[in-house]
Amino acid sequence: AQRVTQPEKLLSVFKGAPVELKCNYSYSGSPELFWYVQYSRQRLQLLLRHISRESIKGFTADLNKGETSFHLKKPFAQEEDSAMYYCALAPGSYQLTFGKGTKLSVIP
Amino acid sequence: DADVTQTPRNRITKTGKRIMLECSQTKGHDRMYWYRQDPGLGLRLIYYSFDVKDINKGEISDGYSVSRQAQAKFSLSLESAIPNQTALYFCATATGDPSAYEQYFGPGTRLTVT
Repeated sequence: AQRVTQPEKLLSVFKGAPVELKCNYSYSGSPELFWYVQYSRQRLQLLLRHISRESIKGFTADLNKGETSFHLKKPFAQEEDSAMYYCALAPGSYQLTFGKGTKLSVIP
Repeated sequence: DADVTQTPRNRITKTGKRIMLECSQTKGHDRMYWYRQDPGLGLRLIYYSFDVKDINKGEISDGYSVSRQAQAKFSLSLESAIPNQTALYFCATATGDPSAYEQYFGPGTRLTVT
């Protein structure tokens, strides 16, 4: 069975500091991985997906199959990045398996 | 994104009561999902539906039932609510395109069972 692990419940960083939200997965097949974000009082929305290899709001994430990781990174954190971040795995059956989430708090 | 709406947005009910949460979408999507969100546990899938005639159990379906009344409507019912069903419930939709994994979420329904 697939599993997504986000080891940090809460991550606090200062504005301008680099950010790395960790995500590790367990899946026997070829994974599709995503990061979703939930800003305060807003609905959950897709931030980025590994297959598109894009940068959204300065965030990037690289799939490392050897380490089974999909960490989310941003070189310089902004206050508006404060939110709940969920890593998700799609095992190919139109479902998403979510991690437990990491709350990012950017300190001014 | 007002294309996925949920009613009610907040509900307080008592143990043993039957309650229905409703989800409507104007996105024309085939797939619809119900999740619950609990602090520290993330989002867990309750039920999902690929079309009106296709309904599937998710990770935590016990104590819940669903109805897909139309392509645009997917309701979640708690037949006899219990306090540990207190949570934030999200509906989500997605297209039927097998290469499209993005799900679009509703605003959530905060349910409290006393």
